[in-house]
Amino acid sequence: DAEITQSPRHKITETGRQVTLACHQTWNHNNMFWYRQDLGHGLRLIHYSYGVHDTNKGEVSDGYSVSRSNTEDLPLTLESAASSQTSVYFCASSEVGVSEAFFGQGTRLTVV
Amino acid sequence: GNSVTQMEGPVTLSEEAFLTINCTYTATGYPSLFWYVQYPGEGLQLLLKATKADDKGSNKGFEATYRKETTSFHLEKGSVQVSDSAVYFCALRMDSSYKLIFGSGTRLLVRP
Repeated sequence: DAEITQSPRHKITETGRQVTLACHQTWNHNNMFWYRQDLGHGLRLIHYSYGVHDTNKGEVSDGYSVSRSNTEDLPLTLESAASSQTSVYFCASSEVGVSEAFFGQGTRLTVV
Repeated sequence: GNSVTQMEGPVTLSEEAFLTINCTYTATGYPSLFWYVQYPGEGLQLLLKATKADDKGSNKGFEATYRKETTSFHLEKGSVQVSDSAVYFCALRMDSSYKLIFGSGTRLLVRP
C-alpha cells in the first residue's frame, strides 16, 4: 500500500545543532507539506512544495529549510535548533486536483 | 487573511451523547472545508469534507454542513462512542492553493 513515512519518530537534540527530519511518500504526489503542531495553535505550515525543485515558505518558516530533489522526499532541516522549535512535526502530501491531504505519523522533536 | 476558529476543548461526553463541535471560518472567496481527526499517537486522517455551500459531508456517523451565510462548518454526531475520543481539526483550503489552514483543534473525550 502507498504511504507516507516520517523518521525519526522521536528525537532529542541540543540547542544550536542542525537537525534533519525525513519525509517519504510512495503515492507519487506532487504536493508535499511540513506542519508543526503546538498546543493552542493547531497545525501551522512551515514549508511546502508543488513539485521537484519547487519550495515555498509557509507562515512559520524562520529557522527551517527544505529541498525537493525528487518526487518522493521532502526533508525538513532546522539550521540551528532552538528551544522554540520543540514541537511535533507532520509531513503531508496531496495530488494535483484532489483536495484530500495524507499525513505521516509525526516526529516529536525536543530541543534541550 | 484566511482563518479557522474552533470551540475550545476539551469536550467531555458520556457514551451515546450528542456531539457538536463548532467551527467558523474567515475567507476571501469560497473555500473547501474539512474535518480531520487525530487519534492518540497518530497523524491526521480526513474525516469528511465539503467543497461548496450547502454541501453536507458525512462519514462514520459524523456530519457537517457548509453554511455560507454563517461561515460555519459545525461537526455533529448523534451518538458518540468511546472510540471517537480524539482531537478534531477543522480546516479550509482555497481553490487557488493546496495549503490547508487549520483551527486549533478540539479534544473530545468520551466516557463509558
